[in-house]
Amino acid sequence: GAVVSQHPSWVICKSGTSVKIECRSLDFQATTMFWYRQFPKQSLMLMATSNEGSKATYEQGVEKDKFLINHASLTLSTLTVTSAHPEDSSFYICSARDPDTIYEQYFGPGTRLTVT
Amino acid sequence: KQEVTQIPAALSVPEGENLVLNCSFTDSAIYNLQWFRQDPGKGLTSLLLIQSSQREQTSGRLNASLDKSSGRSTLYIAASQPGDSATYLCAVTTDSWGKLQFGAGTQVVVTP
Repeated sequence: GAVVSQHPSWVICKSGTSVKIECRSLDFQATTMFWYRQFPKQSLMLMATSNEGSKATYEQGVEKDKFLINHASLTLSTLTVTSAHPEDSSFYICSARDPDTIYEQYFGPGTRLTVT
Repeated sequence: KQEVTQIPAALSVPEGENLVLNCSFTDSAIYNLQWFRQDPGKGLTSLLLIQSSQREQTSGRLNASLDKSSGRSTLYIAASQPGDSATYLCAVTTDSWGKLQFGAGTQVVVTP
């Protein structure tokens, strides 16, 4: 089956630093990937849609200069949280859309970010 | 704007009982509806995907129905087991890119 990986699985960083999270589709090429964040006891909120070779499309209220997304290849998208603050602490999940199926997405295991 | 609601927010049942989880959405113009399972601190596992033209999907002990006109879906889990304990999320695909709108989830506990 289709597998999506994320790295790292958890990260702790100091306030003001930047953190990069990688999302990889391991056995298929994903022209479209999605980034979500999830606060404790809450559901997933879509942050942005990442398309290979073009700029990401951000949801309303998501700061594009703070959450930098780069879809460098058909198997890799990265999310960089710049100048992280404690309120950015969250669970970040990516998903990749398999172009051969009808709108089916495969989710990564998530990355727990804690900003101290 | 599409809104997805899941009721109940939490559910506790003894092992062996059937589970019924509800999902409603406000805009019937969806491409499909999916049910996911999420274990604590983990990512999502896809359970069932129902295309907008379908009325139900089945996989093992799981059955999901879709009534697009009334904006409702129900997930049935037969003969629940402690291993079914998790949070169940429903989501609708709202555009041709595959963008998903999630409900808040139903937290299920199955007691032995």
